[in-house]
Amino acid sequence: QVQLQESGPGLVKPSQTLALSCTVSGASVSSGNFYWAWIRQPAGRGLEWIGRFYTGGTTDYNASLKSRVAISMDTSNNQVTLRLTSVTAADSAIYYCARGVNWESYWYFDLWGRGTLVTVSS
Amino acid sequence: IQLTQSPSFMSASVGDRVTITCRASQAIGRYLAWYQQEPGKAPKLLIYAALTLQSGVPSRFSGSGSGTEFTLTIHNLQPEDFATYYCQQLNSYFSFGPGTKVDI
Repeated sequence: QVQLQESGPGLVKPSQTLALSCTVSGASVSSGNFYWAWIRQPAGRGLEWIGRFYTGGTTDYNASLKSRVAISMDTSNNQVTLRLTSVTAADSAIYYCARGVNWESYWYFDLWGRGTLVTVSS
Repeated sequence: IQLTQSPSFMSASVGDRVTITCRASQAIGRYLAWYQQEPGKAPKLLIYAALTLQSGVPSRFSGSGSGTEFTLTIHNLQPEDFATYYCQQLNSYFSFGPGTKVDI
């Protein structure tokens, strides 16, 4: 059974870099026709896709965050990591990682972690 | 690609049939998924490719549509269905609709 678990600091100071990890159990992050995505949700608001890392090594990012975000893979720990630089209060949110699956050219997010709350405050 | 959902909020009763509409700003074929999110929980996949029911999801959920207009229908609404529903387009990168809250 594949499971995803987000982890990282719950509090980050403005202008600093947010770093989160998504630990995958029950599957290898580097194999299969999958991608690993990060999505966030500010309190009481909707979902925002941040970006994805494809097992083939390519990445795609939300245009609104592209200059500040990087997603990478740590195969030794079977993790997918998110780095977001120069954070502000607007980056406070629950951050989710999710697995993207392909079926007959249709992609969808079939598995989600439980999410981790990040607050940006001094 | 921008997604809109209607209504943004609705009140319903157990046993009702509920229909939620998602509209895309440009044609996306069937590259659309629906998710259910209960308070305090992660989203859960219900429908992908616009009309394919995810394994384990009750058959009272159904999806339809293609191009720019899509619907999620819940037949015989159950107590556990009171939640927020999001559509997501997967044609050009990914974006989510603003959500529809289904309340008692």
